[in-house]
Amino acid sequence: AQSVTQLDSQVPVFEEAPVELRCNYSSSVSVYLFWYVQYPNQGLQLLLKYLSGSTLVKGINGFEAEFNKSQTSFHLRKPSVHISDTAEYFCAVSDWGTGGFKTIFGAGTRLFVKA
Amino acid sequence: DTAVSQTPKYLVTQMGNDKSIKCEQNLGHDTMYWYKQDSKKFLKIMFSYNNKELIINETVPNRFSPKSPDKAHLNLHINSLELGDSAVYFCASSHSRGTSGGVKETQYFGPGTRLLVL
Repeated sequence: AQSVTQLDSQVPVFEEAPVELRCNYSSSVSVYLFWYVQYPNQGLQLLLKYLSGSTLVKGINGFEAEFNKSQTSFHLRKPSVHISDTAEYFCAVSDWGTGGFKTIFGAGTRLFVKA
Repeated sequence: DTAVSQTPKYLVTQMGNDKSIKCEQNLGHDTMYWYKQDSKKFLKIMFSYNNKELIINETVPNRFSPKSPDKAHLNLHINSLELGDSAVYFCASSHSRGTSGGVKETQYFGPGTRLLVL
């Protein structure tokens, strides 16, 4: 069965500092990995995804993530954050099972960017 | 042009009532989903429909009944509302796996419906 663990529930960081949001997953089959962002009172927006190919994936707003199969991780990084990056970030894993294509979300990491 | 829209945005009601939430997507997707996000922001899938057929039902109480009149719509009807149903409900849509086996799975989410049961 799939599972997703986001290791930090909250990450405070100063503006222009680098940030890493950690995500580990478990799955018995090939997986597809995603990071979504949720701004206050809004729906989820896709930041980036890994389906196959290069393990370093670049997304919107300057974010990138690296798929590490041996460590079953998909950590999200940004070299310099802005106040506007303050939001909830969700890691997700999808695969094909008996019930169809299914996505499991992590519990979320709240990123606070301080001036 | 909103890709995935939900109505209403806010819904406040009393225990025991029956309510519906509507979802529409104009992306030409063939798969639609309902998710529930609780007060701790935990997001869990409830249902998934592909071409109007139910393909995922995640042990949701049978008070919840999704209905898909066509590929562009997936409505959620809730009977006998309970306090624990208070949450944000998100609709999403995506393409299913293509005939070539390629994955097109990026889900697009609606803005959410904030349900409060008093």
